[in-house]
This record gives sequence, structure tokens and C-alpha cells, in this order.
Amino acid sequence: EVQLVESGGDLVQPGGSLRLTCAGSGFSFRDYEMQWVRQAPGKGLEWLSHIDAHSSDVHYADSAKGRFTISRDNAKNSLFLQMNSLRVDDTAVYYCASSRNMLVVGDYWGRGTLVTVSS
Amino acid sequence: SYEVTQPPSVSVSPGQTASITCSGDKLGGQFVCWYQQKPGQSPLLVISQDNKRPSDIPERFSGSKSGSTATLTISGTQAMDEADYYCQVWDLTTGAVFGGGTKLTVL
Repeated sequence: EVQLVESGGDLVQPGGSLRLTCAGSGFSFRDYEMQWVRQAPGKGLEWLSHIDAHSSDVHYADSAKGRFTISRDNAKNSLFLQMNSLRVDDTAVYYCASSRNMLVVGDYWGRGTLVTVSS
Repeated sequence: SYEVTQPPSVSVSPGQTASITCSGDKLGGQFVCWYQQKPGQSPLLVISQDNKRPSDIPERFSGSKSGSTATLTISGTQAMDEADYYCQVWDLTTGAVFGGGTKLTVL
């Protein structure tokens, strides 16, 4: 069974940093494209970032450029999102998603981890 | 940045056909995916690459595209299909783009 489990969400003050982790299991993690998507309370889905299977190609949404960094460790079946200079409007549930094709954000999705940015 | 547009809400009676549209001026050259999201749950892929249905998705879900508009069709809509639905494309300059979502009400 494919599983994606996000962790690292927390309450953080504006200007702070967090590192999210997504642990994959039940599939060949090293062969899959991975992406991060977030959803603010009561709002729609917002794509943040993509990384290809070998970490050779990454993409960021404008809202993430310069503040967020995506990375992965295929040996540990793990995906990461380093988030710096957090703002109140970064408050959201953060999902990781996997697919064989980057044009599809997620064949499979995790349950998400909540990031709250507040003073 | 590129945007795709969905109606905020669609209503359908049980057993009838629901159609949810997604519009964008580059849609004709982009693959469209559709996701279902129920309250408190993660998104679920129901259609990929315009009209491909994952094996675990019921046959009543189908996708199509004509020009700059893609359509998710749910035939014989059931109460369990009540959810938010999002279209998604990949744009070469923007990256992945989600529509604003459509709330499907079955009443």
C-alpha cells in the first residue's frame, strides 16, 4: 500500500523557519516525481514546488521562490520542504504528493501536516 | 501567472449527470487532471491526462476536453460524490496550476 506521511508542522512565529518531511513507503520512491501543495483554512489547493526523481529538476511557485527549498533523499525515501521567512499567510495544511509524471501533481497524497504562523 | 477557472458551485439531483468545467486559454495544449476532495480528507486523483481514470475510480467519472474548456462528468451521481473538485494543469512558465475548486452538492 502506498503511504505518504508528512511531519514537521508546528506553530511558528512570523519570520521563523520550519522543515517539513514526507516519508514514502509501499512504492519505489526513487522512481517518482514529488510535489508539495498547501491548503489554507477554507481555501483551495495551492501548488508550491516540484522535484524530479533524481533531484536534477525543481520548480517553485512564485509564493515559494526565495523562501522555500525542496529536496529529497532517495536512500531514506524522504522528501523535504525547508521554509524560511514564514508569514501569517503561510498558515495552511501542507501536503506532499507523488506521481510518475510531473504533469500530474499527485497520483497519491499524504494526509497533510498543519503549519500555523502566528505571534 | 496562468490561471484556470472553475464555477464555484454545481448542484445535481441523485442519479442525474453532473458536469464541472475548467477553462483556460492554453488548455487545448495542456493535460488536465481532476481531483476530488471530501471534508477533512486529502485530494484524490479521479482523472488524469484529460480522460484517463485510475483503476480504483468508478466508471461514472469521466473527463473530456474541447478547445479551452475541460469537463469532468459524473454520470448517475451518488450522494457519496458530494465533494470539492479541482482541475489542475501544468504550465511551462507557472508550474502546476489548480483551479479554484467547485463544490458539488447532491440534493
